[in-house]
Amino acid sequence: DQQVKQNSPSLSVQEGRISILNCDYTNSMFDYFLWYKKYPAEGPTFLISISSIKDKNEDGRFTVFLNKSAKHLSLHIVPSQPGDSAVYFCAASMYSGGGADGLTFGKGTHLIIQP
Amino acid sequence: DGGITQSPKYLFRKEGQNVTLSCEQNLNHDAMYWYRQDPGQGLRLIYYSQIVNDFQKGDIAEGYSVSREKKESFPLTVTSAQKNPTAFYLCASRRGGGSSYEQYFGPGTRLTVT
Repeated sequence: DQQVKQNSPSLSVQEGRISILNCDYTNSMFDYFLWYKKYPAEGPTFLISISSIKDKNEDGRFTVFLNKSAKHLSLHIVPSQPGDSAVYFCAASMYSGGGADGLTFGKGTHLIIQP
Repeated sequence: DGGITQSPKYLFRKEGQNVTLSCEQNLNHDAMYWYRQDPGQGLRLIYYSQIVNDFQKGDIAEGYSVSREKKESFPLTVTSAQKNPTAFYLCASRRGGGSSYEQYFGPGTRLTVT
């Protein structure tokens, strides 16, 4: 049972436009959400995160929106640049008594920025 | 230069052999994690450790073992009991404490078992 879902395996966007990557989750115990960027044969790179007590977090060109009632989050990249072409993973975490447990990942969305 | 080191980058083994993947971090992070990635899939949690000499099973721990004797090191052994060991293995660490959730990843080890 997949608890974090990224329903678009790929997304193609023109350079300079906005890229919107979506993520849905089913476990209401998740209280922290993260986005990672990954190139083939490399480790994921942390991009941006959001706590469940917020509905928006912004860092430069990257903004993450969280809609708790819909169990949905999205990553906006504005403007999109060629270097943004990569696979983007949505991940979720929950706090347990000993600290944050491991992350639960979606299957990723391959973002392709076209010139 | 702080970071997470995984070695080697590529590893080849014969079926039936145990193999140990190395993970070292000099970030002074308390928690460490192991994930595997298969083609077209997200990362899945194998084992994690919040402190030295303590670790917990993740979602897919069967056929794997770990140790955490030092804060900096969290080696993963892929045993012959693991039915599909060929995968890309990623190690991560986290600063620790209740307010920190971000995990930082190493470059990964691609293990091929034939």
